[in-house]
Amino acid sequence: DAKTTQPNSMESNEEEPVHLPCNHSTISGTDYIHWYRQLPSQGPEYVIHGLTSNVNNRMASLAIAEDRKSSTLILHRATLRDAAVYYCILRGQAGTALIFGKGTTLSVSS
Amino acid sequence: GAVVSQHPSRVICKSGTSVKIECRSLDFQATTMFWYRQFPKQSLMLMATSNEGSKATYEQGVEKDKFLINHASLTLSTLTVTSAHPEDSSFYICSARLAGGRGYNEQFFGPGTRLTVL
Repeated sequence: DAKTTQPNSMESNEEEPVHLPCNHSTISGTDYIHWYRQLPSQGPEYVIHGLTSNVNNRMASLAIAEDRKSSTLILHRATLRDAAVYYCILRGQAGTALIFGKGTTLSVSS
Repeated sequence: GAVVSQHPSRVICKSGTSVKIECRSLDFQATTMFWYRQFPKQSLMLMATSNEGSKATYEQGVEKDKFLINHASLTLSTLTVTSAHPEDSSFYICSARLAGGRGYNEQFFGPGTRLTVL
């Protein structure tokens, strides 16, 4: 699976939107883009995934660049409970294990 | 959504003892389960992949004789840390794949087990 690059950390204020970037310049045509997050002392939690088109769900939105070499996870209104490590993961073959990089640690201030 | 549980959530043991961690898929059948380890301030590291009824596949550098994995049913996988030592102290997380799932969000994670070896 191709590698992703994320900023080590980001900060946000409560109730403001947050844009978490992810670069994946070596993505292949069959790689899906997944986002998971991990709250302190918990297992990872699925956030969203996509292939080519932008995706929305109740947790977040995923904006995928036209060339698919980057994507952005958008939290529309950050809350204190959104403070977590966010992982951007590429996976080409369904059923194989998710391989985690370092992720972005998001801090949210009130 | 699908729920994965782990037991125990926290365990403290003496050096040299063995510890068993259970991973259960509560409301779905999992043909494949994955085991990860996470040290403080680090990311998750995949240890092994287990398929129901067959031997686990271990990642490079993970000792299969030390980390015994059994996946005896479609809802239960166990990880046994044999002869544990302080360097095995870590956060162990399991993940289960929905049997027959074709979507790419079909991997569900347990809450983790904190192992401390004294």
